[in-house]
Amino acid sequence: DVKVTQSSRYLVKRTGEKVFLECVQDMDHENMFWYRQDPGLGLRLIYFSYDVKMKEKGDIPEGYSVSREKKERFSLILESASTNQTSMYLCASSTDVGLHHSDTQYFGPGTRLTVL
Amino acid sequence: LAKTTQPISMDSYEGQEVNITCSHNNIATNDYITWYQQFPSQGPRFIIQGYKTKVTNEVASLFIPADRKSSTLSLPRVSLSDTAVYYCLVVMAMDTGRRALTFGSGTRLQVQP
Repeated sequence: DVKVTQSSRYLVKRTGEKVFLECVQDMDHENMFWYRQDPGLGLRLIYFSYDVKMKEKGDIPEGYSVSREKKERFSLILESASTNQTSMYLCASSTDVGLHHSDTQYFGPGTRLTVL
Repeated sequence: LAKTTQPISMDSYEGQEVNITCSHNNIATNDYITWYQQFPSQGPRFIIQGYKTKVTNEVASLFIPADRKSSTLSLPRVSLSDTAVYYCLVVMAMDTGRRALTFGSGTRLQVQP
């Protein structure tokens, strides 16, 4: 089975702190994604990566950056956390099966981040 | 970008069939529609995916009309364990060769005994 793990299930940080959220997948997937999930808004894509050292902005990249130095690991960075970044953060991975097909995403359990 | 809309919530009883519709305007001809299920404190998990007409697996069916502006997830004979949030996801192929992902806001299904 595909396994996507996230470094923390719960995290509490203070405004202005730098925050690192780590995600690791064990199935050699090319694609990795970071979403945030808020009540009434569903899942919104922050950043994604199709290859090592490659990143592309999603719908809401402001206030975030990412790093993918190794294929299995995709990190989400909040340079200076703010209270409006309190949310559930979900990581996902998938294989890349071509332009005209869709690949199933496998999600991690999520990290609930609270910024005080 | 394609936009998706779903009902916020639905209620049902055990043994009934449940149909959840997702509207997706401006979906391109090569878009797929995927549905995910999410339980509390877990990440979403894949249920079913389709491109056109009807797709059926051991869990659900997916109906996509000819105009492809909507899709309907059908859950036969739901049980209490089907209580969850259901998301539709539209995958759109961009001219750049990459994909744009758009999740609906989710439908909370509550199954009563």
